[in-house]
Amino acid sequence: QKEVEQDPGPLSVPEGAIVSLNCTYSNSAFQYFMWYRQYSRKGPELLMYTYSSGNKEDGRFTAQVDKSSKYISLFIRDSQPSDSATYLCATNSGGSNYKLTFGKGTLLTVNP
Amino acid sequence: KAGVTQTPRYLIKTRGQQVTLSCSPISGHRSVSWYQQTPGQGLQFLFEYFSETQRNKGNFPGRFSGRQFSNSRSEMNVSTLELGDSALYLCASSLGRGNDEQFFGPGTRLTVL
Repeated sequence: QKEVEQDPGPLSVPEGAIVSLNCTYSNSAFQYFMWYRQYSRKGPELLMYTYSSGNKEDGRFTAQVDKSSKYISLFIRDSQPSDSATYLCATNSGGSNYKLTFGKGTLLTVNP
Repeated sequence: KAGVTQTPRYLIKTRGQQVTLSCSPISGHRSVSWYQQTPGQGLQFLFEYFSETQRNKGNFPGRFSGRQFSNSRSEMNVSTLELGDSALYLCASSLGRGNDEQFFGPGTRLTVL
């Protein structure tokens, strides 16, 4: 079993839709959770960085972590064609451990 | 503030050769991590350097090595290249104080023929 599982998609939605992206993880030591966005031929861009369980909102993006079920989500409201990219979830145990464990990424296309 | 820079952006090598990739972190950041990204395996952690010392290491063979200089710039080296080493190599920069965000550079795309 991979430490972080993520549905690779692809996911295609119309402009303005609410998008839900999800990951599950298996290691209880994971404490920090991130979402990165990666456009084609670019490096990953950090979107959200959260600690432990709960919600965090930033503009149209909301990250949600449920440690009891080892489930992390990213919601995108009012999706735009410019949101079309691969979304990667990542996690680590924190402290001086800088190893990020990534999901495989979900390819999202927002159609105008 | 300038972001993470990586050079070169593209490289083509042949099997058996070696290659050196360079990463300059965000100003003030002291930790540099390296990742390999392939379509099959996704993003995998190679190693992390802080204050010129390797602090964390992933599960890659010894052909993959790195170092960090006193100005926090980092290099990674791959010796005896194999076809399977073709990948996007990404470096990530962070303050290094613990529990802080990692910011990625644009990557170096390595093709091994």
